[in-house]
Amino acid sequence: EAQVTQNPRYLITVTGKKLTVTCSQNMNHEYMSWYRQDPGLGLRQIYYSMNVEVTDKGDVPEGYKVSRKEKRNFPLILESPSPNQTSLYFCASSLNQGPRAEAFFGQGTRLTVV
Amino acid sequence: EDQVTQSPEALRLQEGESSSLNCSYTVSGLRGLFWYRQDPGKGPEFLFTLYSAGEEKEKERLKATLTKKESFLHITAPKPEDSATYLCAVQGGLRPASGTYKYIFGTGTRLKVLA
Repeated sequence: EAQVTQNPRYLITVTGKKLTVTCSQNMNHEYMSWYRQDPGLGLRQIYYSMNVEVTDKGDVPEGYKVSRKEKRNFPLILESPSPNQTSLYFCASSLNQGPRAEAFFGQGTRLTVV
Repeated sequence: EDQVTQSPEALRLQEGESSSLNCSYTVSGLRGLFWYRQDPGKGPEFLFTLYSAGEEKEKERLKATLTKKESFLHITAPKPEDSATYLCAVQGGLRPASGTYKYIFGTGTRLKVLA
């Protein structure tokens, strides 16, 4: 089954404790991205990756890091989480940025930073 | 500035009562407009892609249309299971430094269909 898998689904952590949210896709998609979803603000892109070892900042990259060492995996790293990073996070993948740019989303990770 | 605005924010319909959701956009060089459905606690699920003005796509009770400035998602004779948040996104707005295109989401329309 074609899918994007995120882990964990729920996470409560303390300010400053480094964490990683994993994302994996099994569709051989080139393009992957991370979004955060906040009430009234919609989905905002954090980082994206065009392919292995090619990543770039989206609209709200501050406080986040990513890496793309393999085509299927795109982890999101919060080196020193702060309460304003409490949000619902989604990983998404798409075949490319061309004619098949529709995105497939993971189930989301609800992060609370206290 | 590239942006996507959806209206209304929320909509309550009786079962069978048809209506339309609006997505207006401002983007330099539209490459595609996408509609997604999002159920509570889940990730958005792809519905349609529209590429050019005048294009229409249909799926069951849903029909999406596109003009040069906006898109409509028409819901005909909705059922309670159509209750969800409907998101619109546009791909466009070239980032010169990377040669990639922005993917911008609206804030969605929360649809509730009452039995």
